[in-house]
Amino acid sequence: KQEVTQIPAALSVPEGENLVLNCSFTDSAIYNLQWFRQDPGKGLTSLLLIQSSQREQTSGRLNASLDKSSGRSTLYIAASQPGDSATYLCAVWLGGSRLTFGEGTQLTVNP
Amino acid sequence: GAVVSQHPSRVICKSGTSVKIECRSLDFQATTMFWYRQFPKQSLMLMATSNEGSKATYEQGVEKDKFLINHASLTLSTLTVTSAHPEDSSFYICSARDFSVVNEQYFGPGTRLTVT
Repeated sequence: KQEVTQIPAALSVPEGENLVLNCSFTDSAIYNLQWFRQDPGKGLTSLLLIQSSQREQTSGRLNASLDKSSGRSTLYIAASQPGDSATYLCAVWLGGSRLTFGEGTQLTVNP
Repeated sequence: GAVVSQHPSRVICKSGTSVKIECRSLDFQATTMFWYRQFPKQSLMLMATSNEGSKATYEQGVEKDKFLINHASLTLSTLTVTSAHPEDSSFYICSARDFSVVNEQYFGPGTRLTVT
């Protein structure tokens, strides 16, 4: 059974800091991995999707890496801003119909 | 990117009544749609998977007679919470997968259900 773990569960940083969120998964036979952002009381916004054949994806200040063999992904946020405050979720897709989610990292960026 | 909408965004109902939530894929055809439930400060819990024109597949522990799912077209799925009770109060999120693209899953904005 695929398990996805996110560390840390919560993170508070001052504005401007670069930070890394971690995601690990137990079954390396994934098709892709997605990072999502969720604001309080809202749905999920897809940030980055990494296919299993890819090593990283970048979008603006966000960079996500994938090391399938070790079962790890990181989300790097450069020059963090208060507007980045949200819960970040990673999810892996093994094929079929199921996305398996981690528990999320709650990020607070203080002005 | 692709857009998934949900309606209503918030609903308050009395215990014992039924509530229907709609999920639509606005600019793509979704052969598969998913319904999730989320409790405060927790991650998403998959309730069921529905394929257009066929019966939904429910996750273990999810009552199919309580949570009725219909996926009548490639752009619409509905979740009906029947005989709602206060413990059904939660945040319900639908999602749709566009298999014709890169197998990315898109999520709706969620529906906050409060049962009084």
